[in-house]
Amino acid sequence: DAGVIQSPRHEVTEMGQEVTLRCKPISGHDYLFWYRQTMMRGLELLIYFNNNVPIDDSGMPEDRFSAKMPNASFSTLKIQPSEPRDSAVYFCASSLSSGVYEQYFGPGTRLTVT
Amino acid sequence: DQQVKQNSPSLSVQEGRISILNCDYTNSMFDYFLWYKKYPAEGPTFLISISSIKDKNEDGRFTVFLNKSAKHLSLHIVPSQPGDSAVYFCAATGTYKYIFGTGTRLKVLA
Repeated sequence: DAGVIQSPRHEVTEMGQEVTLRCKPISGHDYLFWYRQTMMRGLELLIYFNNNVPIDDSGMPEDRFSAKMPNASFSTLKIQPSEPRDSAVYFCASSLSSGVYEQYFGPGTRLTVT
Repeated sequence: DQQVKQNSPSLSVQEGRISILNCDYTNSMFDYFLWYKKYPAEGPTFLISISSIKDKNEDGRFTVFLNKSAKHLSLHIVPSQPGDSAVYFCAATGTYKYIFGTGTRLKVLA
């Protein structure tokens, strides 16, 4: 298996622009998670899905952030409009609902908003 | 409110010696704890875990200890190797939702 795939790996954009991050989970996994990593707050959970349905989005910082999972093999995290404070590394992770709690992370997208 | 805390942002250890990474949590509902390891430009990878019904779990050079009364867990690496140099995150969960600490950067000196 190729593991969790994220694109792009790096994104540089100007303040006010729309940014879309993409994730393909491991085939067969039914949980998908979006995290943001910053120096100050470490790894923060933004939102997670179960069987394509958003379960908990309490970590989404504000209305500028939105996430979708139209099918079992694809999810997006969108920031509109982007701000410099959104600069961080965004990770997607997936897991099975078999009772094993291990999550498998993608390589991350480094977002820089200037 | 930081429910999972890693109070040491960095740690340096000599090769061959023991590395001890610490983690504290506040929520007594957490029943499963994990350690993840992260290299630069890569996603975190699972290292070792422990259920709240145990106080120790060992996997090769890695051992995790859980002290429920103190709400404290630690990761021991013996012996430490240069390839262990990475950022280590502890995480706690009571569901599928993980709460991560801020990480400890371990540097193993050759």
